[in-house]
Amino acid sequence: QQQVKQSPQSLIVQKGGISIINCAYENTAFDYFPWYQQFPGKGPALLIAIRPDVSEKKEGRFTISFNKSAKQFSLHIMDSQPGDSATYFCAATFSSGSARQLTFGSGTQLTVLP
Amino acid sequence: NAGVTQTPKFRILKIGQSMTLQCAQDMNHNYMYWYRQDPGMGLKLIYYSVGAGITDKGEVPNGYNVSRSTTEDFPLRLELAAPSQTSVYFCASSYSTGQPNTEAFFGQGTRLTVV
Repeated sequence: QQQVKQSPQSLIVQKGGISIINCAYENTAFDYFPWYQQFPGKGPALLIAIRPDVSEKKEGRFTISFNKSAKQFSLHIMDSQPGDSATYFCAATFSSGSARQLTFGSGTQLTVLP
Repeated sequence: NAGVTQTPKFRILKIGQSMTLQCAQDMNHNYMYWYRQDPGMGLKLIYYSVGAGITDKGEVPNGYNVSRSTTEDFPLRLELAAPSQTSVYFCASSYSTGQPNTEAFFGQGTRLTVV
């Protein structure tokens, strides 16, 4: 099963609040879990990523929490800012034969109110 | 740096028409991908290529064709456009050595409407 399930579909947060986006997967062959950020009219861009042997990774205000046993991972945005308003995609990669494939969640549209 | 360049940015097609979406990258990446993005559905992989001359189907390949004659270019062909192909199409590329930590770089997208 190549699916990555993402929730919520949309999220509204006040400036300074914490934004939390959750993802779950079934395929234990997934071996890398990136998050992509997409602004309107632009293509997605890599934000932060984590390997499954690490439980948490932090880069500035962005933190990934990873629970391997539950097959779940989440993105936390601390001190959310209006400039963080974008669509966020969780993703997972795995090897398929000689190729690596990248599969995405359905996306979360984040709005941070000033 | 140009990165991944897609053309055109917008296009309106009539049902049954054909067109080619162009994608070029200047980063010498071996992998290239085509995704379509529909509201609330995320990004679905249409086709991908691991190198010149090698292509393979993704999750939603029906109605599309690709070719990869050079490292730089990966055009996507729609032969008989249907309303179901109305979407935003993204081309992406990455340099993969087989290791997990590969970053994909995306173009700005082509918004296609089939009427």
